Amino acid sequence: SQQGEEDPQALSIQEGENATMNCSYKTSINNLQWYRQNSGRGLVHLILIRSNEREKHSGRLRVTLDTSKKSSSLLITASRAADTASYFCATVMGGYQKVTFGTGTKLQVIP
Amino acid sequence: SQTIHQWPATLVQPVGSPLSLECTVEGTSNPNLYWYRQAAGRGLQLLFYSVGIGQISSEVPQNLSASRPQDRQFILSSKKLLLSDSGFYLCAWSVGKGAVGELFFGEGSRLTVL
Repeated sequence: SQQGEEDPQALSIQEGENATMNCSYKTSINNLQWYRQNSGRGLVHLILIRSNEREKHSGRLRVTLDTSKKSSSLLITASRAADTASYFCATVMGGYQKVTFGTGTKLQVIP
Repeated sequence: SQTIHQWPATLVQPVGSPLSLECTVEGTSNPNLYWYRQAAGRGLQLLFYSVGIGQISSEVPQNLSASRPQDRQFILSSKKLLLSDSGFYLCAWSVGKGAVGELFFGEGSRLTVL
């Protein structure tokens, strides 16, 4: 079953604009992760945020986590055509080893 | 450095035929191992995960099974494929022990059942 739901399902922006994707989940978590998938390829890990963290940065990526609302957002600043891909959030519940993915946001960055 | 190998990359099989997808990890010991399936344009569905040899957790009752005969080998099998088994299968590993962190994915196996 899907733990997370991403919003929007698809997003199309111009190069240089910022892209924001949201993820909502259902149960308490140990950490939340964001991944990127180019078409037909495996997923690549982008960033991990723990349940006791509220915000994290990595290069052009900014992730926020609101455990009271069970939601997270991924912001990609100054987008580039190469950022075109699908983005997924994934949750890990405490005490468990399974990693459950959301439905994904398909991002298109137009040059 | 750690690497993950997954094969075959592409597979076309008739309904009712058996299936075996294999995944191996190099450069690490006692990893957690995962099998996911992705339908076209959809999210990832967790099928199986394993925290050790012979320890398999099944997430979705279905036509598939998984085995972990060696520490760094994870196999996905079916005795008789269904049309609904078509999809993109992804193997992944993570460092064992403690809360799960980053997953490292293979390049996937695309299965078409005709």
